[in-house]
Amino acid sequence: EDQVTQSPEALRLQEGESSSLNCSYTVSGLRGLFWYRQDPGKGPEFLFTLYSAGEEKEKERLKATLTKKESFLHITAPKPEDSATYLCAVQPHASSNDYKLSFGAGTTVTVRA
Amino acid sequence: NAGVTQTPKFQVLKTGQSMTLQCAQDMNHEYMSWYRQDPGMGLRLIHYSVGAGITDQGEVPNGYNVSRSTTEDFPLRLLSAAPSQTSVYFCASRRRGQEVYEQYFGPGTRLTVT
Repeated sequence: EDQVTQSPEALRLQEGESSSLNCSYTVSGLRGLFWYRQDPGKGPEFLFTLYSAGEEKEKERLKATLTKKESFLHITAPKPEDSATYLCAVQPHASSNDYKLSFGAGTTVTVRA
Repeated sequence: NAGVTQTPKFQVLKTGQSMTLQCAQDMNHEYMSWYRQDPGMGLRLIHYSVGAGITDQGEVPNGYNVSRSTTEDFPLRLLSAAPSQTSVYFCASRRRGQEVYEQYFGPGTRLTVT
């Protein structure tokens, strides 16, 4: 069974204090790993896709990296507007169900000014 | 475009009551789905639809019914609410050809069953 574990559950940062979120996964052949941002009272919003170990993607202060067992979301010099819950999800290869996605429980990031 | 809309935003039910969570999208997307999100757990797929008249079960379908009579609407029905169905429910949609991770999520309905 596919499993996605995110750590830590919550992260409190001072503005400008860089940090990393972890997403470890077990899946029967990885088709893709995805990061989402979720603001309070809203649905998840897609951020990144990663397909193979060694791949990196960047967007503003966020950088996502992928290894064979985990992914990291690095937040560099965060600002208060980066406060959100960050979700990780994996999709297995060759699934007969195009909808098969396994989500982690998320890491809630709070950035204080 | 309003995107994906959900009503109501909040709902409190008593055990055994029934209700329908509404979901609509104005992007002419063929694919629509329902997820539930519980504390400490990831989003879990309840039901999905690949077009009007076609629905299928996801990971946690028990206690929920869906139908898809139009492209725009995909209501989720709770037949006899139970406390275990207390959750935040998200509807999502995407067009055929888009990858599942690209789907657009609605703002959610927070349901409490007492």
